[in-house]
Amino acid sequence: GAVVSQHPSWVICKSGTSVKIECRSLDFQATTMFWYRQFPKQSLMLMATSNEGSKATYEQGVEKDKFLINHASLTLSTLTVTSAHPEDSSFYICSARRWGRSTDTQYFGPGTRLTVL
Amino acid sequence: DAKTTQPTSMDCAEGRAANLPCNHSTISGNEYVYWYRQIHSQGPQYIIHGLKNNETNEMASLIITEDRKSSTLILPHATLRDTAVYYCIVLNYSGGGADGLTFGKGTHLIIQP
Repeated sequence: GAVVSQHPSWVICKSGTSVKIECRSLDFQATTMFWYRQFPKQSLMLMATSNEGSKATYEQGVEKDKFLINHASLTLSTLTVTSAHPEDSSFYICSARRWGRSTDTQYFGPGTRLTVL
Repeated sequence: DAKTTQPTSMDCAEGRAANLPCNHSTISGNEYVYWYRQIHSQGPQYIIHGLKNNETNEMASLIITEDRKSSTLILPHATLRDTAVYYCIVLNYSGGGADGLTFGKGTHLIIQP
């Protein structure tokens, strides 16, 4: 199967600081990765689409200057939450698109739990 | 992408087959049906997907009705580790992988010992 990792798995930070989350596709190359977040007792919500070598596309209502996305290689995308506040506390999950002749599937990482104090 | 409807929750006895239904009556010809599940506090796990033929892999079977308006995910021998929220998602294949997934509320499957 396709494996996607995230680091860190959890992080606690103070209000006003920035936090970087990494998403890696370990056994396949992914030109497209996605970032989601999930609040307690809710479903995943798509935040942005990350394409290798180009700017990310953000969903309506997601601040692009607050959630910085970089997809510099075919196996790594990063999400930086800048000037984090308690309301940014959430479960952040990435996915990577594995696309080929007979497959087109997104595989998810294990998620990163962010707590902002 | 077509909307899906799933029951909120279901129970199943351990060792029995778990059959999870999904309605997608507005599905169009080039849309696939994907199933994912999310175990508590983990990222979603891909299970299976199909277009119109029934599909089977090491995890589950997917049965799609002839009119493609509904489907059933079958876990043949459910175990306690199959307790999770199961999501049925319909995607346009030509751009499906390039679009983010829209998660509904899914079905909370509880496997009873």
